[in-house]
Amino acid sequence: DAGVIQSPRHEVTEMGQEVTLRCKPISGHNSLFWYRQTMMRGLELLIYFNNNVPIDDSGMPEDRFSAKMPNASFSTLKIQPSEPRDSAVYFCASTQQAYGEQYFGPGTRLTVT
Amino acid sequence: GIQVEQSPPDLILQEGANSTLRCNFSDSVNNLQWFHQNPWGQLINLFYIPSGTKQNGRLSATTVATERYSLLYISSSQTTDSGVYFCAVEPGNAGKSTFGDGTTLTVKP
Repeated sequence: DAGVIQSPRHEVTEMGQEVTLRCKPISGHNSLFWYRQTMMRGLELLIYFNNNVPIDDSGMPEDRFSAKMPNASFSTLKIQPSEPRDSAVYFCASTQQAYGEQYFGPGTRLTVT
Repeated sequence: GIQVEQSPPDLILQEGANSTLRCNFSDSVNNLQWFHQNPWGQLINLFYIPSGTKQNGRLSATTVATERYSLLYISSSQTTDSGVYFCAVEPGNAGKSTFGDGTTLTVKP
């Protein structure tokens, strides 16, 4: 299996622009997680899905952030409008079941200028 | 929410030395994982270990769930072991993980 796939790997955008991050989980995995990593706050869970349904989005920082999972093989995390403080590495992870071993993608490094 | 504490925060070793990293957590857990984040930022699974002991080559891990801690042992360290080691736990009442702040390991040749 190719593992969790994320795109783009790097994104540089200007403040106020819309940013869309994409994730393809491992085939057969039922749960998908979006994390953000910064020096100040470490690794934070933003939202997770089980069977394509959002279960807990309490980590989403603001209404500017939204996530969707239209099918079992694709998820997006959107920031609109983006701000410099959104600069971070965003990771996607998937598991075969709700409680299970998580596998991480390579991450998307987002820089908002 | 659950608290996860990792120690030590930083560790510097000479190549060939052994080390023990610790993860303490404040509540019962369904799941505990150890990850290595390499210098390129990739998060690599080391162990899925909610309880018991596992070994994989030079690495081994032990979780004592009743006492709410886990240990990661690295033997005969190599420079490629450098990076940040994270412990992540899932509380018994939720499906989401909480990560510790990590232990930054530097192995010098």
